[in-house]
Amino acid sequence: DTAVSQTPKYLVTQMGNDKSIKCEQNLGHDTMYWYKQDSKKFLKIMFSYNNKELIINETVPNRFSPKSPDKAHLNLHINSLELGDSAVYFCASSQGLDRALVGYTFGSGTRLTVV
Amino acid sequence: AQSVTQPDIHITVSEGASLELRCNYSYGATPYLFWYVQSPGQGLQLLLKYFSGDTLVQGIKGFEAEFKRSQSSFNLRKPSVHWSDAAEYFCAVVPSGGYQKVTFGTGTKLQVIP
Repeated sequence: DTAVSQTPKYLVTQMGNDKSIKCEQNLGHDTMYWYKQDSKKFLKIMFSYNNKELIINETVPNRFSPKSPDKAHLNLHINSLELGDSAVYFCASSQGLDRALVGYTFGSGTRLTVV
Repeated sequence: AQSVTQPDIHITVSEGASLELRCNYSYGATPYLFWYVQSPGQGLQLLLKYFSGDTLVQGIKGFEAEFKRSQSSFNLRKPSVHWSDAAEYFCAVVPSGGYQKVTFGTGTKLQVIP
């Protein structure tokens, strides 16, 4: 059983399109995150949700909109895709905001390529 | 400014040789420290973590790390590297106190040669 699963694994799309990435975790965690990993492997947090409530919203263009229908799911919708959005997007989860200390469980990533 | 630094972008070691990956941090108080490993095409996996206490911590896959307050370092070590250890390694910190968000270093890519 995959603990944190993301779909799709690969996504190739044209500039200007709108796309979504889905994330689901079956660990019973109540906190979920989106991270962006650029071409230099730099990982930067984008968003965090705790029990469906937005907790962290880093300096991310408002073309990116996360949605958490329940605490097991955190989806990422991106409008008007730009070339610079090309990256690997990772979903992660942890049990509780103050439990980030015990470490995250990561999904295997979604490689987004904007052409 | 608060930061976590991995000075080595790329390291190559021979299989069976020892390994040390460096990590330095710059925070007002000692943060909580982690090492993660990312295999090709995979997400990150937690190797080990340090909160307090014994400064030498053991992790999975035979890795260990030593916290040195005087050097603001948390270096990762393994006595004998296996070919399957080839991956990207990330040091990460969570500042003590305040809002707990994990900040990652820029990673060190490990290549293992036979």
